[in-house]
Amino acid sequence: DSGVTQTPKHLITATGQRVTLRCSPRSGDLSVYWYQQSLDQGLQFLIQYYNGEERAKGNILERFSAQQFPDLHSELNLSSLELGDSALYFCASTLSGTSYNEQFFGPGTRLTVL
Amino acid sequence: AQRVTQPEKLLSVFKGAPVELKCNYSYSGSPELFWYVQYSRQRLQLLLRHISRESIKGFTADLNKGETSFHLKKPFAQEEDSAMYYCALSGEGQGGSEKLVFGKGTKLTVNP
Repeated sequence: DSGVTQTPKHLITATGQRVTLRCSPRSGDLSVYWYQQSLDQGLQFLIQYYNGEERAKGNILERFSAQQFPDLHSELNLSSLELGDSALYFCASTLSGTSYNEQFFGPGTRLTVL
Repeated sequence: AQRVTQPEKLLSVFKGAPVELKCNYSYSGSPELFWYVQYSRQRLQLLLRHISRESIKGFTADLNKGETSFHLKKPFAQEEDSAMYYCALSGEGQGGSEKLVFGKGTKLTVNP
């Protein structure tokens, strides 16, 4: 699959725990975006990386962090999890980070915090 | 501040009827507007963007800067159009990123 991939598909964990979500961008894409989708807030932009560097930050909590590795895959780390962190987490990729490019989305990771 | 409003959470029409999904935005600069669609059990994908001025699957959307709107229209809805539709705005962020600001989405159901 040459599209955006995300692992795991589903994640169930307990409050206070820490999880890592993984995203591999489309082949050749340099920019990765992370979004959180919850029932009440809709799709919210969290953070963007471009070629390994943080490019923009959105409504990302301090308990959350991300990074993009030299092979361009990205990880979103969520710690001290709370019930309200239960959501679908999407990543998207684009070729560049400076023009109005179409973003290609992954299938998402559904996180459930019990 | 960048904001996208989709006033209708749910929209139900009959097959063959016209459909219009409303989108209003708030942005001080020159935005790039998109419509993304998510069909059942599929990933979010781009439907169309205003700069392309194209018609995809019979859908069109015109950017009205005076009314700050980007409504999505189709003259004759089909059952396969049933999906979740998101209007999104891309504007300049720090460092020139194009983060997307999404509306909360409209679930379109086309009844037979």
